[in-house]
Amino acid sequence: AQSVTQLGSHVSVSEGALVLLRCNYSSSVPPYLFWYVQYPNQGLQLLLKYTSAATLVKGINGFEAEFKKSETSFHLTKPSAHMSDAAEYFCAVSGVGAQKLVFGQGTRLTINP
Amino acid sequence: DTGVSQDPRHKITKRGQNVTFRCDPISEHNRLYWYRQTLGQGPEFLTYFQNEAQLEKSRLLSDRFSAERPKGSFSTLEIQRTEQGDSAMYLCASSPRAQVYEQYFGPGTRLTVT
Repeated sequence: AQSVTQLGSHVSVSEGALVLLRCNYSSSVPPYLFWYVQYPNQGLQLLLKYTSAATLVKGINGFEAEFKKSETSFHLTKPSAHMSDAAEYFCAVSGVGAQKLVFGQGTRLTINP
Repeated sequence: DTGVSQDPRHKITKRGQNVTFRCDPISEHNRLYWYRQTLGQGPEFLTYFQNEAQLEKSRLLSDRFSAERPKGSFSTLEIQRTEQGDSAMYLCASSPRAQVYEQYFGPGTRLTVT
């Protein structure tokens, strides 16, 4: 069984500040991990993925995430927030033999000018 | 390269009516997935197809729900006798093949049952 917990349903940061969105996972198989972003009334866009290669993964729009097996975490970061980063962010897990993505409940990111 | 498309984007229906949604995956993607997303929640898996075969269904998919992918290309999701609890965003996603675990999502169909 797989599950994802996103700590903090709402995160607010100032423009130019560090963005940190937390994700912890549980998986009975080696996990594949993903971050998706969703803008209002739109589908989900893939930001980045971890599929057992490098543990530090770089994605689009300046985001990156680090897979830490010992902490079962896959936190998303961006050094400097931009107003256009305001959106809902979802962490998801899949794995070898699993066909579906299991999502966390999401974190709404607000950027303050 | 066109992405995943879904039609309609919005559907308002009265309780008890049937509705059908369509999803066109990215060309040559042989895996197609349906998810449901309610307000403030992450997407929840409903079902998935490999080519025309429906290989997994969630317990969320009651007998009022049926999905098809007749020729291994587009897919339809039908909800019979809609209930207010069916109001949600229905998302479709596709992926190219096994061992590629990321999925590419369409814009979704927002269903409102009145």
